[in-house]
Amino acid sequence: QSALTQPRSVSGSPGQSVTISCTGTSSDVGGYNYVSWYQQHPGKAPKFMIYDVSKRPSGVPDRFSGSKSGNTASLAISGLQAEDEADYYCCSYAGSYTWVFGTGTKVTVL
Amino acid sequence: EVQLLESGGGLVQPGEYLRLSCVASGFTISSYAMRWVRQAPGKGLEWVSTIGSGGGTYYADSVKGRFTISRDNSKNTLYLQMNSLRVDDTAVYYCAKGNGYYFEYWGQGTLVTVSS
Repeated sequence: QSALTQPRSVSGSPGQSVTISCTGTSSDVGGYNYVSWYQQHPGKAPKFMIYDVSKRPSGVPDRFSGSKSGNTASLAISGLQAEDEADYYCCSYAGSYTWVFGTGTKVTVL
Repeated sequence: EVQLLESGGGLVQPGEYLRLSCVASGFTISSYAMRWVRQAPGKGLEWVSTIGSGGGTYYADSVKGRFTISRDNSKNTLYLQMNSLRVDDTAVYYCAKGNGYYFEYWGQGTLVTVSS
């Protein structure tokens, strides 16, 4: 299983919006509506932010939203805040009880 | 409150073995899928293994045949037995509580270093 492809970095000023793409294949992202997203601050464990493509767990601000089109999923962060600066990883179910993560994207708040 | 606490990491030489543990609290591990995910230094996340609520076990190709996932329901503890360790197994290993098709809660991780 090859890692899903994410941009290495994205940046935006406070209050702006950024979008992170996550590109896979028809065997993972395109084949299942089971994409999730994780936020990881330096030296910390990942925290899950989005599941099943676009569902947001309680406690996650509605500034975070997920979507999918074909083999590409996306995470959008609106109203960017300083605490959003972190690494973000997508993850997709890939069938046969296997999962594949994305390469990771560093979000920088300018 | 759900908590996961990993232990057992350390420095080993190539070819040696190590067993990681993950003590869970706030829920019963036998009722959920439990998973191991690792992160090599400065790198991304990699799914390693899953044990389903029914006991089925699944592995990434990179560890199949070398790693074994198991659990002790009486101790509410998840394990990862890692044999024939290689330099590229060096990583922080996280245990995670599964919920559906995502990783709901994560431990703080334990560092495994494989080096001669």
